[in-house]
Amino acid sequence: SYVLTQPPSVSVAPGQTAKITCGVQNLGTKSVHWYQQKPGQAPVLVIYNDNDRPSGIPERLSGSTSGNTATLTISRVEDGDEADYYCQVWGTSSDHRGVFGNGTKVTVL
Amino acid sequence: QVQLVQSGSELKKPGASVKLSCKTSGYMFNKYGINWVRQAPGQGLEWMGWINTNTGNPTYAQVFKGRFVFSLDTSVSTAYLQISALKAEDTAKYYCARLTSVFGNYHMDVWGHGTTVTVSS
Repeated sequence: SYVLTQPPSVSVAPGQTAKITCGVQNLGTKSVHWYQQKPGQAPVLVIYNDNDRPSGIPERLSGSTSGNTATLTISRVEDGDEADYYCQVWGTSSDHRGVFGNGTKVTVL
Repeated sequence: QVQLVQSGSELKKPGASVKLSCKTSGYMFNKYGINWVRQAPGQGLEWMGWINTNTGNPTYAQVFKGRFVFSLDTSVSTAYLQISALKAEDTAKYYCARLTSVFGNYHMDVWGHGTTVTVSS
């Protein structure tokens, strides 16, 4: 099964760039997906297949992978980007399919 | 547009059962699976499992085998999560989310608003 490791928190000033990492053991050819969850709201898909954006997600959010680490980058951070962000991989073991990272809280200073 | 509308909050006593619903609209129900995701208060997202809406076959994460049952009513494009023998630790928000695949990679592209279950005596 996959273990996804995220930093608990990231702080960033408005207008700066935030990078949220997701360490994935044995990532291989699997894709990483990212979800944004604002307080009191349901999660929203913001990146799928490592670096694709669903319609309506601003270009300021982008994804990348290198080796066993996936990164969500938020450029020109705005107050509205303050949220929890979760990475996710769809695993190969039937009972560990939809594995989530533990989440990273992004705080806009 | 694609929507997943979940049933309202539930307050239950320990040992009781609860059945949550997730009514879908705006797409062909049997073309996309439905995931269930739990979020305990102040905690992260925990994948519970998913149900194949074409075959009705459920898959449960290891920790959710036993008291948790996924089911469907295809006539009304609705998925259900039933939890039996409720415990205080089941207090959480439960989300349904549509499972989609792009180039063989699965993710959850549309989410319900969640149902809060509170278990308390």
